[in-house]
Amino acid sequence: DGGITQSPKYLFRKEGQNVTLSCEQNLNHDAMYWYRQDPGQGLRLIYYSQIVNDFQKGDIAEGYSVSREKKESFPLTVTSAQKNPTAFYLCASSIGTGSMTDTQYFGPGTRLTVL
Amino acid sequence: AQKITQTQPGMFVQEKEAVTLDCTYDTSDPSYGLFWYKQPSSGEMIFLIYQGSYDQQNATEGRYSLNFQKARKSANLVISASQLGDSAMYFCAMREEHRGGSNYKLTFGKGTLLTVNP
Repeated sequence: DGGITQSPKYLFRKEGQNVTLSCEQNLNHDAMYWYRQDPGQGLRLIYYSQIVNDFQKGDIAEGYSVSREKKESFPLTVTSAQKNPTAFYLCASSIGTGSMTDTQYFGPGTRLTVL
Repeated sequence: AQKITQTQPGMFVQEKEAVTLDCTYDTSDPSYGLFWYKQPSSGEMIFLIYQGSYDQQNATEGRYSLNFQKARKSANLVISASQLGDSAMYFCAMREEHRGGSNYKLTFGKGTLLTVNP
């Protein structure tokens, strides 16, 4: 089955610790994305990557870092510099044509709680 | 100013009836795309339907249709014959085209919580 997997589903972190969220896709998509969702809010873009070894900041990149060493993988690190990291994190991918119709498909999400 | 506005925080509908979820958008780009996603309580975002700014006809996908009124900048989602499984959050999103090329960013509204009553 083709799809996007995120792990873990729930993650707890102590203040001051870095934590890495996993995102893997087997859809052969070029583009991958990370979004953050807070209660009662829509999604906000953290980072995106159009191709391997390249990524761009989104609207709320401060306190986050990413890497794109493989086409299938786009891990997100939430650093201790992120002041309010408790949120629901969603990873997405798309074919990456950049056209208006390039639909993003989402993984199941990771809920991060800072204790 | 918000680029995507969903004015209905919550909506209720009886099973088997139709429901319209509102979405208005703000852009000065002539080329843009509008998307609707469904988010059940499990959290995953499920793509429902797409409408391009140059599309002449309203998009339809099964029980989902999009009432696209370009002059009013609205892209309302219509769900026909509601089912209990339609209970979820629904998000409207827009992609605008950057000058000189593509734009990968989606801008989301705050969503509408739909509850289908038996």
